[in-house]
Amino acid sequence: DGGITQSPKYLFRKEGQNVTLSCEQNLNHDAMYWYRQDPGQGLRLIYYSQIVNDFQKGDIAEGYSVSREKKESFPLTVTSAQKNPTAFYLCASSIEPGNTEAFFGQGTRLTVV
Amino acid sequence: GENVEQHPSTLSVQEGDSAVIKCTYSDSASNYFPWYKQELGKRPQLIIDIRSNVGEKKDQRIAVTLNKTAKHFSLHITETQPEDSAVYFCAAVGTASKLTFGTGTRLQVTL
Repeated sequence: DGGITQSPKYLFRKEGQNVTLSCEQNLNHDAMYWYRQDPGQGLRLIYYSQIVNDFQKGDIAEGYSVSREKKESFPLTVTSAQKNPTAFYLCASSIEPGNTEAFFGQGTRLTVV
Repeated sequence: GENVEQHPSTLSVQEGDSAVIKCTYSDSASNYFPWYKQELGKRPQLIIDIRSNVGEKKDQRIAVTLNKTAKHFSLHITETQPEDSAVYFCAAVGTASKLTFGTGTRLQVTL
């Protein structure tokens, strides 16, 4: 069953703790993306990776970190430095960077209390 | 960096009417403009896209137009149906292959 998988679907953390969101794809896609979705603000790009072992900051990278050690995996860590981490996080991948269809995971809703 | 603006934020139409959503972009190097539909509780999915060498593209009841000079692109849905109710996002890919989204339009099709 091919696709892009995010886990978990819901995640609760205490304020001040780092938390890592998982994103795995078996589509053999080179590019992967992390977006944050808040009501009325659309999808804002956190980080993206065009190829394994490389990634770039998006528009709202502060307080987040990523790694791309394997082509299939692009985990996102929400650090304690992120001032407003409660949000819905979407991971996506595409065959090549930019001008091809992006396939999204089902998302992770993170709540920090 | 790229900035994509989308209007309106909400749109209500009667079943059978047409709906138009408009977007503008800032990066003149942008060359790919996809549109995504997100139904309630689901992930965004591509519904149509257009590249910079094309002015218009149509797929059944959905069409997209692109004006490169004005840096505008629009989504047109004709003969709207209740299942068209969703949030629609425009996007643009510009310098550094960044996929930048607009803020979304919530379309409500009423009976």
